[in-house]
Amino acid sequence: DADVTQTPRNRITKTGKRIMLECSQTKGHDRMYWYRQDPGLGLRLIYYSFDVKDINKGEISDGYSVSRQAQAKFSLSLESAIPNQTALYFCATSDRKTGTYEQYFGPGTRLTVT
Amino acid sequence: QKEVEQDPGPLSVPEGAIVSLNCTYSNSAFQYFMWYRQYSRKGPELLMYTYSSGNKEDGRFTAQVDKSSKYISLFIRDSQPSDSATYLCAMNTGGFKTIFGAGTRLFVKA
Repeated sequence: DADVTQTPRNRITKTGKRIMLECSQTKGHDRMYWYRQDPGLGLRLIYYSFDVKDINKGEISDGYSVSRQAQAKFSLSLESAIPNQTALYFCATSDRKTGTYEQYFGPGTRLTVT
Repeated sequence: QKEVEQDPGPLSVPEGAIVSLNCTYSNSAFQYFMWYRQYSRKGPELLMYTYSSGNKEDGRFTAQVDKSSKYISLFIRDSQPSDSATYLCAMNTGGFKTIFGAGTRLFVKA
């Protein structure tokens, strides 16, 4: 079984809809991240959480919110989806003991906003 | 100017070739340097990790860091079709944020 799972794997939604992407991990890591990947721009950090009570904005947090329901679960919400949020979204984890440098990624969610 | 620059490719080589992938960066505070490999429709996976300057070898892969030139490289020897993927460089100053390059697409032809 995969250590970092994401649901759904693919989603098509309409402008203005609320959507939630979910991430679960069995690695026992305390740190979790949400990234989006766009062609030519690489991975950009949306939000990160170093433990359940510690949530921080990344470089592109506008239009997104997150919830860390448990150490193993970190969800990303788009309150009112817009077309330029069409992208590939990745959840990642890392272990505080090894720092943020070694991150383990989920398989990604391909989101299309029409 | 982006903090990390990486040629997007695509780079196409014959099987068995030596591949050189590179990134340049502008922030001299970067100390931790990573290479991730991403297959199509998969998440990135950590391939190599280097602290500060120097070389690190793991099987067919060698990572090189030249901090004086702000330049890092990944070499793949005896490349295989299974090496066909996108390779992302990544860097960290020692803080919370890792900066990723845009990725280079590599095709190894049998």
